[in-house]
Amino acid sequence: EVQLVESGGGLVQPGGSLRLSCAASGFRFSGYALSWVRQAPGKGLEWVSGISGSGDSTYYADSVKGRFTISRDNSRNTLYLQMSSLRAEDTAVYHCVLYGRINFESWGQGTLVTVSS
Amino acid sequence: DIQMTQSPSSLSAYVGDRVTITCRASQGIRNDLGWFQQQTGKAPKRFIYAASTLESGVPSRFSGSASGTEFTLTISSLQPEDFATYYCLQHNSYPWTFGQGTKLEIK
Repeated sequence: EVQLVESGGGLVQPGGSLRLSCAASGFRFSGYALSWVRQAPGKGLEWVSGISGSGDSTYYADSVKGRFTISRDNSRNTLYLQMSSLRAEDTAVYHCVLYGRINFESWGQGTLVTVSS
Repeated sequence: DIQMTQSPSSLSAYVGDRVTITCRASQGIRNDLGWFQQQTGKAPKRFIYAASTLESGVPSRFSGSASGTEFTLTISSLQPEDFATYYCLQHNSYPWTFGQGTKLEIK
């Protein structure tokens, strides 16, 4: 069974930094691209960033480009999101997402990031 | 970037009604589109893959279709457990983009 477990969220001041982690199990981690998707309180879903299985290719939403960095450690089956220059509008629940082929899709439960002074 | 325009943003309907939700892509995305259901307080779950393929366990009252850049999610006969928020997602090219969501409420 696929499991994705996020951690690292919390309260951070505007301009601060935070690193999220996503521990994965139940599938061949290095074989699959992964994404981060966020949801601000009471709002819709926003795709934030994606990374190829090897980690060689990374992609970002315009709203976070230059501030967030996605990476992965395939030896530890862990996905990361390094967030810097955080803004109030980055406040959201951040989900780690495996978007595979039919019947192979999974979301973590999410970790809450609150940017506030 | 590809924009996904989802409509309506909200919809009130009765149990047993047939409802349709639409996503329109700003450019061609082949059939690289998924539909998600999100119940309040829970993570989203993909119901439809590749525009029209139902995930295992999804009731057959759900269906998806595509015509050019217009994608449709149809629920043929609403059940109480279907009242939730629905999103489309295009994964044809980065950055991936979600539709704005459709909140389906009981009338």
